[in-house]
Amino acid sequence: DGGITQSPKYLFRKEGQNVTLSCEQNLNHDAMYWYRQDPGQGLRLIYYSQIVNDFQKGDIAEGYSVSREKKESFPLTVTSAQKNPTAFYLCASSMDREGDTQYFGPGTRLTVL
Amino acid sequence: KQEVTQIPAALSVPEGENLVLNCSFTDSAIYNLQWFRQDPGKGLTSLLLIQSSQREQTSGRLNASLDKSSGRSTLYIAASQPGDSATYLCALLFLQAGTALIFGKGTTLSVSS
Repeated sequence: DGGITQSPKYLFRKEGQNVTLSCEQNLNHDAMYWYRQDPGQGLRLIYYSQIVNDFQKGDIAEGYSVSREKKESFPLTVTSAQKNPTAFYLCASSMDREGDTQYFGPGTRLTVL
Repeated sequence: KQEVTQIPAALSVPEGENLVLNCSFTDSAIYNLQWFRQDPGKGLTSLLLIQSSQREQTSGRLNASLDKSSGRSTLYIAASQPGDSATYLCALLFLQAGTALIFGKGTTLSVSS
């Protein structure tokens, strides 16, 4: 059963903690993406990766870090430097060819206590 | 900077009505345009993808059009049903934005029975 999985579904973080959100895909896609969604703001790009061991900052990368050690995995770490991390985080992947659609995971809702 | 605007932000209609959702964009240099559906607290589901060279795409009761010259796209939903209630997001892959989508803020549709 192919697709994108994200875990956990809900995550709670205390002030000053780093947390890591998981994203895995078995679609054999080259490109993977992390978006953040806030109420009334739409989706904004945090980081993206087009190949293993390479990634690029998006519009709102400050306070976040990523790694791409395997093609199927693209974890996102929300660091204590992120001032307002409470949001819905969505991971996506695509074949990284012009015109290819992006497929999205079910999302992780992060709440700072 | 590329921008995507969706109007209206919210729409309520009775069951059975035909409706149109609008998306406008500021840069006509695009690879493609996608319409997504998002249910509350869930990830995004791709509905229709229109390549830059195409004018429209159809899937069941959904029809999406693309007019690059005017910077507009519409999503037409025929014979609306309560199950169509969701937020509909328009997203574009601009030539100068790498491989990441630029999203509108969405239109939240409510169909009453």
